Amino acid sequence: DGGITQSPKYLFRKEGQNVTLSCEQNLNHDAMYWYRQDPGQGLRLIYYSQIVNDFQKGDIAEGYSVSREKKESFPLTVTSAQKNPTAFYLCASRQESAGELFFGEGSRLTVL
Amino acid sequence: GENVEQHPSTLSVQEGDSAVIKCTYSDSASNYFPWYKQELGKRPQLIIDIRSNVGEKKDQRIAVTLNKTAKHFSLHITETQPEDSAVYFCAAFRTQAAGNKLTFGGGTRVLVKP
Repeated sequence: DGGITQSPKYLFRKEGQNVTLSCEQNLNHDAMYWYRQDPGQGLRLIYYSQIVNDFQKGDIAEGYSVSREKKESFPLTVTSAQKNPTAFYLCASRQESAGELFFGEGSRLTVL
Repeated sequence: GENVEQHPSTLSVQEGDSAVIKCTYSDSASNYFPWYKQELGKRPQLIIDIRSNVGEKKDQRIAVTLNKTAKHFSLHITETQPEDSAVYFCAAFRTQAAGNKLTFGGGTRVLVKP
């Protein structure tokens, strides 16, 4: 659906645990992004990647890590260093020559 | 870095009236300005976009205007309908040496009252 698949859709984590959110796209897009959305808030950029094996920190990268070993995959790990990880996480991709950002359906993480 | 301010944060309109959302950006190098609509619990979806070489763009009931000198752009929705109720985000994009970032405004919650 939409070419970008995020999993899991819902995730519960205990404090102190690392969790990894999956993001896969079959749109052959070069650039991929992770955004965090808190209730009633906008979208804040965590990490982004323009090409394989390269990624840059966004505005709120602390407590998160990513990898880009394959063009179609950009997993996000929420580490125990992230003090307030409960949020809605959105993965997105875009073709460099175009403008539109395509979003996945999101992953809702709740820390118990 | 780029900073995008969006106003108002909430907007309530009567069905059939117009709605206007305004955004300002800080980086004069930004050259692409999309608008996204996000319904409750769903992903944001592009509804219209404009590039810096164009001053206005229309698509049926939706229009976007861009003032590069003042660094602001606006979304106009005419003849609003209940299905227009959602959160709307503006964004600004620029190409930089370290990569391409799309910075979003804080969002506007639009409620169309029947």
